[in-house]
Amino acid sequence: GNSVTQMEGPVTLSEEAFLTINCTYTATGYPSLFWYVQYPGEGLQLLLKATKADDKGSNKGFEATYRKETTSFHLEKGSVQVSDSAVYFCALTQSGTALIFGKGTTLSVSS
Amino acid sequence: GAVVSQHPSRVICKSGTSVKIECRSLDFQATTMFWYRQFPKQSLMLMATSNEGSKATYEQGVEKDKFLINHASLTLSTLTVTSAHPEDSSFYICSARDSGKSSYNEQFFGPGTRLTVL
Repeated sequence: GNSVTQMEGPVTLSEEAFLTINCTYTATGYPSLFWYVQYPGEGLQLLLKATKADDKGSNKGFEATYRKETTSFHLEKGSVQVSDSAVYFCALTQSGTALIFGKGTTLSVSS
Repeated sequence: GAVVSQHPSRVICKSGTSVKIECRSLDFQATTMFWYRQFPKQSLMLMATSNEGSKATYEQGVEKDKFLINHASLTLSTLTVTSAHPEDSSFYICSARDSGKSSYNEQFFGPGTRLTVL
């Protein structure tokens, strides 16, 4: 079946450091890929998305590229801020089915 | 656009009582909504898929008689936790897919409902 694997956290960085959170997936066909962010005590917010191979999703300085050859969708940001501290979830869906989530990666950024 | 609301945001109840959680798509129609459950510091686990006008589809291991789902309109799905027990305490999150964008897989999430059963 379909699945998503994320790097385990927590990830602890200093402000302005470079961020990479790895995400790989297993799926048949061509899923749509997403990164969601969850701030403490809140629900999920869509951070970025990509619907086909080689698409690059970007938002708020975060980027991720849909790599079919490596079945990956790694999240990157060149310079993190304290306000980026949150839990990040990689997810996929196919044909409008429910999202399948990775386990989440906690990011903690200190000033 | 694409806002999903949940009510209540937080509820505390006694063991044995039933709790109803509402999920509404505010500015779009959703023939399909999803209910997830999230335990502390864990990922979201799909509980069921709610389809407007038909029975919900439950994931393996989810008791359909305990977690009653009703999707009576294109903008509202409800989850009722019947005879709640402390182990049902969790964060319940719904999502909705915009029916007007059938080729697009994005789902929009509600803010979640924190249920605490004493």
